[in-house]
Amino acid sequence: KAGVTQTPRYLIKTRGQQVTLSCSPISGHRSVSWYQQTPGQGLQFLFEYFSETQRNKGNFPGRFSGRQFSNSRSEMNVSTLELGDSALYLCASSSNPGTGQGAFFGQGTRLTVV
Amino acid sequence: DAKTTQPPSMDCAEGRAANLPCNHSTISGNEYVYWYRQIHSQGPQYIIHGLKNNETNEMASLIITEDRKSSTLILPHATLRDTAVYYCIVRTSYDKVIFGPGTSLSVIP
Repeated sequence: KAGVTQTPRYLIKTRGQQVTLSCSPISGHRSVSWYQQTPGQGLQFLFEYFSETQRNKGNFPGRFSGRQFSNSRSEMNVSTLELGDSALYLCASSSNPGTGQGAFFGQGTRLTVV
Repeated sequence: DAKTTQPPSMDCAEGRAANLPCNHSTISGNEYVYWYRQIHSQGPQYIIHGLKNNETNEMASLIITEDRKSSTLILPHATLRDTAVYYCIVRTSYDKVIFGPGTSLSVIP
């Protein structure tokens, strides 16, 4: 079974631009979560989608948004990029909520804002 | 905020068992204990989870105390490749996953 796939793996953007990151979950998984990881703040939860609906949201400004498609693939978008948005963005997928199964992570997208 | 407390770092000799503790004194009845690890620059890897009973899989064993207020992840024969940050997470199956700072395990040759 293929794992969680995130694209692109690396990205360099300029302040003020916007960026879209993509995540393809494990086949059959309907829940997708996004995380931001920085050296100073560690792993921080961004949001979670299940069946195209946002179920949980972390404490991030409205510049961070996401969506999930009917095939469970998910995208996250960051608008008006700031230097502090430089981070490793991780996506995780899991099966239906309530099963208790753990989440499986992709390798992440390394975003650098210059 | 994370609902768990873990030591910031631990060492373990290669070939020996690594026992990583986690305190979760406020755990509620429907919350699971999950363990993940993250090897440098890679995405976190799911290891194991449990609700009340001890669990074992090909990677590790999870021992949960009877009162469920603490647990221990056991890597039976630690190798250098087990050097990583280990995260203990408590959540219901519907909650968002909140990571704390974890325990940085160093396996020493």
